Amino acid sequence: GAGVSQSPSNKVTEKGKDVELRCDPISGHTALYWYRQSLGQGLEFLIYFQGNSAPDKSGLPSDRFSAERTGGSVSTLTIQRTQQEDSAVYLCASSYGSANTEAFFGQGTRLTVV
Amino acid sequence: DQQVKQNSPSLSVQEGRISILNCDYTNSMFDYFLWYKKYPAEGPTFLISISSIKDKNEDGRFTVFLNKSAKHLSLHIVPSQPGDSAVYFCAASARGGGNKLTFGTGTQLKVEL
Repeated sequence: GAGVSQSPSNKVTEKGKDVELRCDPISGHTALYWYRQSLGQGLEFLIYFQGNSAPDKSGLPSDRFSAERTGGSVSTLTIQRTQQEDSAVYLCASSYGSANTEAFFGQGTRLTVV
Repeated sequence: DQQVKQNSPSLSVQEGRISILNCDYTNSMFDYFLWYKKYPAEGPTFLISISSIKDKNEDGRFTVFLNKSAKHLSLHIVPSQPGDSAVYFCAASARGGGNKLTFGTGTQLKVEL
């Protein structure tokens, strides 16, 4: 499809395990975002990739969280040693990254840490 | 530091009436503003945007107003329909900030029959 694709759509993991969440952005989009939405909360910014620039990691809540974007396309968000408070919907979005452009979101990955 | 604020977590409106959702921002460098709509179990979808060189943008039933001096924007939906019931997020970006989108916390709109 032509939209942002995220996988898996749902993930249940045991506390302490590592998880990887994947995002396939829209082809040609240079900017990629990761957000998360905890139950009853707004969109919490995690990390922003824009072209070849160094990523803006200012939203990552702890050093257990990391993300990479290979070849300027697919991105993986990794959470190490998951905790119950990591349970949330993780949303990926992409855009052309230029001024005055909107971002398009994927359907999200619902992560549940038990 | 919440640079984009939506102070009303929820709003209830009758079908056919006007819905007004508000958003305030603190960063004077923001020059592009957007509204997104989100249904449960779906990702947010883009609704309407406005550049800082304008004070109004209209698209069908949706109009966004921007008051730069007050650092305030609002989304008007008229007439409101039950299908408009969703969470609405405002967002802003700045060219000087690499065009990164900063989101508000959202307002849950419920349109009642």
